[in-house]
Amino acid sequence: RKEVEQDPGPFNVPEGATVAFNCTYSNSASQSFFWYRQDCRKEPKLLMSVYSSGNEDGRFTAQLNRASQYISLLIRDSKLSDSATYLCVVNSQTNDYKLSFGAGTTVTVRA
Amino acid sequence: GAGVSQSPRYKVAKRGQDVALRCDPISGHVSLFWYQQALGQGPEFLTYFQNEAQLDKSGLPSDRFFAERPEGSVSTLKIQRTQQEDSAVYLCASSLYTKGGVNTEAFFGQGTRLTVV
Repeated sequence: RKEVEQDPGPFNVPEGATVAFNCTYSNSASQSFFWYRQDCRKEPKLLMSVYSSGNEDGRFTAQLNRASQYISLLIRDSKLSDSATYLCVVNSQTNDYKLSFGAGTTVTVRA
Repeated sequence: GAGVSQSPRYKVAKRGQDVALRCDPISGHVSLFWYQQALGQGPEFLTYFQNEAQLDKSGLPSDRFFAERPEGSVSTLKIQRTQQEDSAVYLCASSLYTKGGVNTEAFFGQGTRLTVV
């Protein structure tokens, strides 16, 4: 079983819609959680960290559910520029520098 | 430059050829990571350096893969006797440091796209 699993999508949504997707992680000792964004043929870039209490950054909301070992990302009022692959990233306490990536969820926002 | 720089951006190698991929991390960043990203997949961890020390090489797929960071800044990933399955994008990332249990942000380079023919 992979350490981090994501629904690959694609999620095709109209501008202005809300889209949400999850990722699950296998290591219950994981301490740090992130969402990275990767545009086609570009490098991953940090979108936001995910905190235990959940956090919001503009139109983006991240939630962490430790009991069920999943992380979610919700995008409100989608923009064309939100089209990208969103990578769920987790580390573990035993190797706190080792970031494990999911395969990514592809989101396409259409006009 | 201000970001992580990787070279070359593209490399085509004949099967059996040796290649060397270079990474210039952000100045002052202690931690350096190499990842391999196959088409349609997320990045897979290869190896990690803290300054010049290679603390984890558990992700290197075979002994044909070797990485070094002799002076704690520039790093080189070398692949000997390349095979077709080595074709992927090789990403380098650096971060300022890693606190126990909490990572600081990792910044990625644009990657080297290796194609083995």
